[in-house]
Amino acid sequence: ETGVTQSPTHLIKTRGQQVTLRCSSQSGHNTVSWYQQALGQGPQFIFQYYREEENGRGNFPPRFSGLQFPNYSSELNVNALELDDSALYLCASSLAGAVVREQYFGPGTRLTVT
Amino acid sequence: AQTVTQSQPEMSVQEAETVTLSCTYDTSESDYYLFWYKQPPSRQMILVIRQEAYKQQNATENRFSVNFQKAAKSFSLKISDSQLGDAAMYFCAYRSAAGNQFYFGTGTSLTVIP
Repeated sequence: ETGVTQSPTHLIKTRGQQVTLRCSSQSGHNTVSWYQQALGQGPQFIFQYYREEENGRGNFPPRFSGLQFPNYSSELNVNALELDDSALYLCASSLAGAVVREQYFGPGTRLTVT
Repeated sequence: AQTVTQSQPEMSVQEAETVTLSCTYDTSESDYYLFWYKQPPSRQMILVIRQEAYKQQNATENRFSVNFQKAAKSFSLKISDSQLGDAAMYFCAYRSAAGNQFYFGTGTSLTVIP
């Protein structure tokens, strides 16, 4: 059973640029959630994807968007990067239909916006 | 929106001793799930233990156990026989049974003293 993987590990971008982060879900999981974790804070929910559609969204602006592919992998896209977007971005997968639907996290992508 | 509060930013424990991390949450729902996640310096969030709100019995996983007080909306984590590898950030998380979003607390940094 393979765990959740994310790429890249680290990324440095300039304000105003666009970035794409990638996530492969754990084997057998069909739901992917994305979180932003600022330094010293807990993860904040960005959105979730299920069956290739957005299935819930947190308090993030539309410049945060995503995709889910038929193999359940996912992308997080952020346009017009701002300095406050600097954070650890975590991807988590889960199995829709399971009773508890606990989430399993990837190692994260550290994004720095300068 | 639900809120999760961890009032202890930092805790320390002697190796082999017992430590309890506190978590309270605010919700008007009756059916939900609670989780404790561990985030070591490697950044990957690891599920430690989970609790279904409809279960009165407190969950246990080896050296980890919880004290779930539904009426008080309290969900503390007890780590027995603490080991050096237990040093990490610990996050308490809530998910409604009907929802997709996980709500996280701000975390407690646990130091284990040899």
